Amino acid sequence: SQQGEEDPQALSIQEGENATMNCSYKTSINNLQWYRQNSGRGLVHLILIRSNEREKHSGRLRVTLDTSKKSSSLLITASRAADTASYFCATDRDSNYQLIWGAGTKLIIKP
Amino acid sequence: DTAVSQTPKYLVTQMGNDKSIKCEQNLGHDTMYWYKQDSKKFLKIMFSYNNKELIINETVPNRFSPKSPDKAHLNLHINSLELGDSAVYFCASSQRTVRELFFGEGSRLTVL
Repeated sequence: SQQGEEDPQALSIQEGENATMNCSYKTSINNLQWYRQNSGRGLVHLILIRSNEREKHSGRLRVTLDTSKKSSSLLITASRAADTASYFCATDRDSNYQLIWGAGTKLIIKP
Repeated sequence: DTAVSQTPKYLVTQMGNDKSIKCEQNLGHDTMYWYKQDSKKFLKIMFSYNNKELIINETVPNRFSPKSPDKAHLNLHINSLELGDSAVYFCASSQRTVRELFFGEGSRLTVL
């Protein structure tokens, strides 16, 4: 079943600007992950944040998690054309190996 | 070296045919998955194997049959293909204690 919902569905910004995407989920989770998918390619893991963490950084990526609001945000700073892709969140709620995926945000970086 | 490789990358076939997609991972992971991604980019888990044992078997038609000959391989066989089976099928792998998934490049199946 689909739990995560990304918002917005699509985002178009100028190169150099920051991009923020949000993910909401419905049930309690163990951790939340963000993945990137370039057009015609497989998904690539970006970052994992555990339920007891509030913020995590990786290069130009910043992820926050608010378990009280059941939401997460992914911030990409100083965007580049190469950041053009779809971004998915996935939550891990139990131990049966099943990730619950959002529908993705399509990010377009205009040069 | 490709970590998760799946073949073929493209598959065009007629309704009613049977086809297989193969997947291999060289990461030493103990868990492998098949996902289906539809035209709206929605990802749906189909199957998952841990150490060759089926652990996730979502509600998919029994025309779909996974097979894991060993920990490094997970194949997907589809019988009597239907138009609605057209999608991109992704293989992925992970280590049980680490929840990060590694995906293959996908196999785009088109049923005519």
